[in-house]
Amino acid sequence: ETGVTQTPRHLVMGMTNKKSLKCEQHLGHNAMYWYKQSAKKPLELMFVYNFKEQTENNSVPSRFSPECPNSSHLFLHLHTLQPEDSALYLCASSQDPGQLNYGYTFGSGTRLTVV
Amino acid sequence: AQSVTQLDSQVPVFEEAPVELRCNYSSSVSVYLFWYVQYPNQGLQLLLKYLSGSTLVESINGFEAEFNKSQTSFHLRKPSVHISDTAEYFCAVSDIDSGGYQKVTFGTGTKLQVIP
Repeated sequence: ETGVTQTPRHLVMGMTNKKSLKCEQHLGHNAMYWYKQSAKKPLELMFVYNFKEQTENNSVPSRFSPECPNSSHLFLHLHTLQPEDSALYLCASSQDPGQLNYGYTFGSGTRLTVV
Repeated sequence: AQSVTQLDSQVPVFEEAPVELRCNYSSSVSVYLFWYVQYPNQGLQLLLKYLSGSTLVESINGFEAEFNKSQTSFHLRKPSVHISDTAEYFCAVSDIDSGGYQKVTFGTGTKLQVIP
């Protein structure tokens, strides 16, 4: 257990479904991130939240909708996904977004399969 | 803009043999460098990091990496690998973006396959 918990670990959803991924950290970190990891592709940064405010959206399609109600929780709401959205979705946090020396703490990821 | 290049996508090596995983970076400013490891069906875990000081950094499980500023490299090495080292390894570089926030760029990863 790394301190960053992601649920569910596995999710299978149809293209017309609506589901949400949850990420929770109680490390006292102030920055949280969503990454997409697809087979044979580099890690893709999707969204960044610093002190609960979204500071980066890397041209992610609107069928992915993030939510950060507080510094400890991050959600990724999914609707009308496509099969190519199947991937491992990783959440990460870092202590202070203005500091370089801490690195990221990652969750174990949610393996998403869109059918 | 910063970037990270991991030249080898896969590295097979026999158990107890040495291994080097290569990482080169480019950045216009001073950076901090990291290696992360991802075991099957898990997230990434921080393995070691270079911030300043000694250019040779070590992890608790026998890996080490050396920062070489002139060659802009941060290669990861282990003198004798174990089966349990089979995983994917990601090099990363971190600096501050224009908004004052940490920005991390990851390499494409190198899969280390340890052969019994």
